[in-house]
Amino acid sequence: DTAVSQTPKYLVTQMGNDKSIKCEQNLGHDTMYWYKQDSKKFLKIMFSYNNKELIINETVPNRFSPKSPDKAHLNLHINSLELGDSAVYFCASSNTGGNQPQHFGDGTRLSIL
Amino acid sequence: QKEVEQDPGPLSVPEGAIVSLNCTYSNSAFQYFMWYRQYSRKGPELLMYTYSSGNKEDGRFTAQVDKSSKYISLFIRDSQPSDSATYLCAMKVTGGGNKLTFGTGTQLKVEL
Repeated sequence: DTAVSQTPKYLVTQMGNDKSIKCEQNLGHDTMYWYKQDSKKFLKIMFSYNNKELIINETVPNRFSPKSPDKAHLNLHINSLELGDSAVYFCASSNTGGNQPQHFGDGTRLSIL
Repeated sequence: QKEVEQDPGPLSVPEGAIVSLNCTYSNSAFQYFMWYRQYSRKGPELLMYTYSSGNKEDGRFTAQVDKSSKYISLFIRDSQPSDSATYLCAMKVTGGGNKLTFGTGTQLKVEL
Protein backbone atom coordinates (compact mmCIF):
# COMPACT_ATOMS: atom_id res chain seq x y z
CA ASP A 1 0.00 0.00 0.00
CA THR A 2 1.30 3.43 -0.94
CA ALA A 3 1.64 5.60 2.18
CA VAL A 4 1.59 9.04 0.53
CA SER A 5 0.15 9.08 -2.97
CA GLN A 6 -0.05 11.96 -5.40
CA THR A 7 -1.99 12.35 -8.62
CA PRO A 8 -1.17 12.93 -11.34
CA LYS A 9 2.48 11.79 -11.57
CA TYR A 10 3.04 13.91 -14.67
CA LEU A 11 1.32 17.09 -15.73
CA VAL A 12 2.11 18.89 -18.97
CA THR A 13 0.09 22.00 -19.68
CA GLN A 14 0.11 25.39 -21.33
CA MET A 15 1.05 28.68 -19.68
CA GLY A 16 -1.99 30.45 -18.27
CA ASN A 17 -3.96 27.30 -17.47
CA ASP A 18 -5.26 26.33 -14.04
CA LYS A 19 -4.42 22.89 -12.65
CA SER A 20 -4.75 20.86 -9.46
CA ILE A 21 -2.60 18.21 -7.81
CA LYS A 22 -4.07 15.82 -5.26
CA CYS A 23 -2.42 14.13 -2.30
CA GLU A 24 -3.67 11.44 0.04
CA GLN A 25 -1.95 9.73 2.97
CA ASN A 26 -3.02 6.52 4.70
CA LEU A 27 -0.57 6.75 7.61
CA GLY A 28 -3.03 8.34 10.03
CA HIS A 29 -0.87 11.47 10.24
CA ASP A 30 -2.36 14.81 11.25
CA THR A 31 -0.02 17.12 9.34
CA MET A 32 0.53 17.39 5.59
CA TYR A 33 2.92 19.48 3.49
CA TRP A 34 3.62 20.67 -0.02
CA TYR A 35 7.23 21.08 -1.20
CA LYS A 36 8.63 22.32 -4.50
CA GLN A 37 11.83 20.82 -5.94
CA ASP A 38 13.50 22.83 -8.69
CA SER A 39 15.70 21.60 -11.52
CA LYS A 40 18.75 21.73 -9.25
CA LYS A 41 17.07 19.38 -6.79
CA PHE A 42 16.59 22.09 -4.17
CA LEU A 43 13.57 21.17 -2.04
CA LYS A 44 11.66 24.00 -0.38
CA ILE A 45 8.54 23.93 1.72
CA MET A 46 5.48 25.79 0.45
CA PHE A 47 2.65 24.98 2.87
CA SER A 48 1.71 22.77 5.77
CA TYR A 49 -1.67 21.89 7.25
CA ASN A 50 -2.41 20.40 10.63
CA ASN A 51 -5.86 18.91 11.02
CA LYS A 52 -7.11 21.02 8.08
CA GLU A 53 -5.65 24.23 9.54
CA LEU A 54 -2.94 26.16 7.65
CA ILE A 55 0.23 26.21 9.75
CA ILE A 56 3.04 27.17 7.36
CA ASN A 57 2.62 29.48 4.40
CA GLU A 58 5.99 30.35 2.93
CA THR A 59 6.52 33.15 0.44
CA VAL A 60 4.51 31.59 -2.34
CA PRO A 61 2.55 33.50 -5.02
CA ASN A 62 -1.14 33.61 -4.21
CA ARG A 63 -1.76 31.79 -7.48
CA PHE A 64 -1.03 28.71 -5.36
CA SER A 65 -3.88 27.72 -3.08
CA PRO A 66 -3.80 24.62 -0.91
CA LYS A 67 -7.00 22.98 0.28
CA SER A 68 -7.39 20.31 2.93
CA PRO A 69 -10.85 18.68 2.93
CA ASP A 70 -9.80 16.36 5.78
CA LYS A 71 -6.58 15.45 7.52
CA ALA A 72 -5.81 12.63 5.07
CA HIS A 73 -5.97 14.85 1.99
CA LEU A 74 -4.16 17.99 0.88
CA ASN A 75 -4.67 19.35 -2.63
CA LEU A 76 -2.79 22.10 -4.42
CA HIS A 77 -4.51 24.31 -6.96
CA ILE A 78 -2.43 26.56 -9.20
CA ASN A 79 -3.97 29.40 -11.19
CA SER A 80 -2.53 31.09 -14.27
CA LEU A 81 0.45 28.76 -14.60
CA GLU A 82 3.79 30.36 -15.49
CA LEU A 83 6.96 28.91 -16.99
CA GLY A 84 8.71 29.24 -13.63
CA ASP A 85 6.18 26.89 -12.05
CA SER A 86 7.80 23.97 -13.86
CA ALA A 87 9.17 21.75 -11.08
CA VAL A 88 8.47 18.59 -9.13
CA TYR A 89 5.91 19.08 -6.38
CA PHE A 90 6.09 16.73 -3.41
CA CYS A 91 3.48 16.05 -0.80
CA ALA A 92 4.55 14.81 2.63
CA SER A 93 2.90 13.92 5.92
CA SER A 94 3.85 13.46 9.56
CA ASN A 95 2.43 13.47 13.03
CA THR A 96 2.68 16.60 15.14
CA GLY A 97 5.74 16.93 17.31
CA GLY A 98 9.37 17.91 17.05
CA ASN A 99 10.74 14.45 16.48
CA GLN A 100 8.16 13.18 14.00
CA PRO A 101 9.71 12.39 10.61
CA GLN A 102 8.06 13.42 7.37
CA HIS A 103 7.15 10.83 4.76
CA PHE A 104 7.12 11.90 1.13
CA GLY A 105 5.15 10.92 -1.93
CA ASP A 106 6.86 10.29 -5.27
CA GLY A 107 6.10 13.73 -6.66
CA THR A 108 4.15 15.34 -9.48
CA ARG A 109 6.28 16.50 -12.39
CA LEU A 110 4.78 19.70 -13.74
CA SER A 111 5.95 21.00 -17.11
CA ILE A 112 4.68 24.28 -18.50
CA LEU A 113 4.84 24.73 -22.26
CA GLN B 1 23.90 32.51 1.41
CA LYS B 2 21.59 29.53 1.98
CA GLU B 3 20.84 28.43 5.56
CA VAL B 4 22.07 24.92 4.74
CA GLU B 5 25.00 24.32 2.42
CA GLN B 6 25.75 20.98 0.78
CA ASP B 7 28.26 20.05 -1.90
CA PRO B 8 26.15 19.07 -4.92
CA GLY B 9 28.70 16.64 -6.32
CA PRO B 10 28.42 14.50 -8.33
CA LEU B 11 30.49 12.15 -6.21
CA SER B 12 31.66 8.93 -7.85
CA VAL B 13 33.20 6.12 -5.78
CA PRO B 14 34.09 2.46 -6.36
CA GLU B 15 31.96 -0.25 -4.78
CA GLY B 16 33.06 -0.98 -1.21
CA ALA B 17 34.38 2.54 -0.56
CA ILE B 18 33.53 4.59 2.50
CA VAL B 19 31.50 7.62 1.52
CA SER B 20 31.38 10.85 3.49
CA LEU B 21 28.59 13.35 2.82
CA ASN B 22 28.50 16.68 4.61
CA CYS B 23 26.35 19.72 5.32
CA THR B 24 27.05 22.98 7.09
CA TYR B 25 24.42 25.30 8.44
CA SER B 26 24.22 28.82 9.78
CA ASN B 27 21.12 28.77 12.00
CA SER B 28 22.13 27.74 15.52
CA ALA B 29 18.44 27.17 16.37
CA PHE B 30 18.39 23.96 14.32
CA GLN B 31 17.93 21.08 16.76
CA TYR B 32 16.85 18.11 14.64
CA PHE B 33 18.94 16.74 11.79
CA MET B 34 17.97 14.28 9.09
CA TRP B 35 19.39 12.57 6.06
CA TYR B 36 17.10 11.63 3.20
CA ARG B 37 17.93 9.47 0.19
CA GLN B 38 16.23 10.23 -3.10
CA TYR B 39 16.35 7.86 -6.04
CA SER B 40 15.70 9.18 -9.51
CA ARG B 41 12.01 10.00 -10.07
CA LYS B 42 11.12 9.08 -6.50
CA GLY B 43 10.35 11.01 -3.32
CA PRO B 44 12.91 11.49 -0.55
CA GLU B 45 12.99 8.65 1.98
CA LEU B 46 14.23 9.12 5.52
CA LEU B 47 17.54 7.41 6.31
CA MET B 48 18.69 8.86 9.58
CA TYR B 49 17.25 11.16 12.24
CA THR B 50 19.30 12.66 15.06
CA TYR B 51 18.64 15.21 17.75
CA SER B 52 21.80 15.73 19.72
CA SER B 53 25.45 16.11 18.90
CA GLY B 54 27.35 12.85 18.48
CA ASN B 55 27.06 9.74 16.35
CA LYS B 56 24.13 7.52 15.45
CA GLU B 57 24.64 4.24 13.64
CA ASP B 58 22.18 2.17 11.62
CA GLY B 59 23.68 -0.72 9.67
CA ARG B 60 26.13 0.67 7.13
CA PHE B 61 25.07 4.25 7.83
CA THR B 62 26.43 6.58 10.51
CA ALA B 63 25.13 10.09 11.09
CA GLN B 64 27.33 12.56 12.92
CA VAL B 65 26.31 15.94 14.31
CA ASP B 66 28.67 18.63 15.58
CA LYS B 67 26.53 21.53 16.78
CA SER B 68 29.50 23.59 17.91
CA SER B 69 30.82 23.63 14.35
CA LYS B 70 27.36 23.61 12.75
CA TYR B 71 28.35 20.60 10.70
CA ILE B 72 26.67 17.27 10.04
CA SER B 73 27.90 14.22 8.18
CA LEU B 74 26.60 10.94 6.83
CA PHE B 75 29.03 8.06 6.42
CA ILE B 76 28.23 5.05 4.26
CA ARG B 77 30.41 2.00 4.79
CA ASP B 78 30.92 -0.72 2.18
CA SER B 79 29.06 1.32 -0.41
CA GLN B 80 26.95 -0.57 -2.94
CA PRO B 81 25.67 0.36 -6.42
CA SER B 82 22.19 0.44 -4.85
CA ASP B 83 23.39 3.41 -2.75
CA SER B 84 23.59 5.49 -5.94
CA ALA B 85 21.12 8.31 -5.32
CA THR B 86 20.91 11.94 -4.25
CA TYR B 87 21.40 12.46 -0.51
CA LEU B 88 19.66 15.41 1.08
CA CYS B 89 20.38 16.74 4.53
CA ALA B 90 17.50 18.44 6.32
CA MET B 91 17.12 20.19 9.63
CA LYS B 92 14.53 21.93 11.73
CA VAL B 93 14.10 24.02 14.84
CA THR B 94 12.00 23.05 17.83
CA GLY B 95 8.40 23.99 17.11
CA GLY B 96 8.22 26.08 13.94
CA GLY B 97 5.41 23.99 12.55
CA ASN B 98 7.76 21.10 11.79
CA LYS B 99 9.27 23.01 8.86
CA LEU B 100 12.22 21.24 7.25
CA THR B 101 15.08 23.22 5.69
CA PHE B 102 16.94 21.15 3.12
CA GLY B 103 20.41 21.23 1.67
CA THR B 104 20.71 21.16 -2.11
CA GLY B 105 21.57 17.44 -2.15
CA THR B 106 24.69 15.50 -3.12
CA GLN B 107 24.47 13.14 -6.08
CA LEU B 108 26.33 9.89 -5.35
CA LYS B 109 27.27 7.20 -7.85
CA VAL B 110 28.76 3.92 -6.66
CA GLU B 111 30.44 2.11 -9.51
CA LEU B 112 31.15 -1.60 -9.91
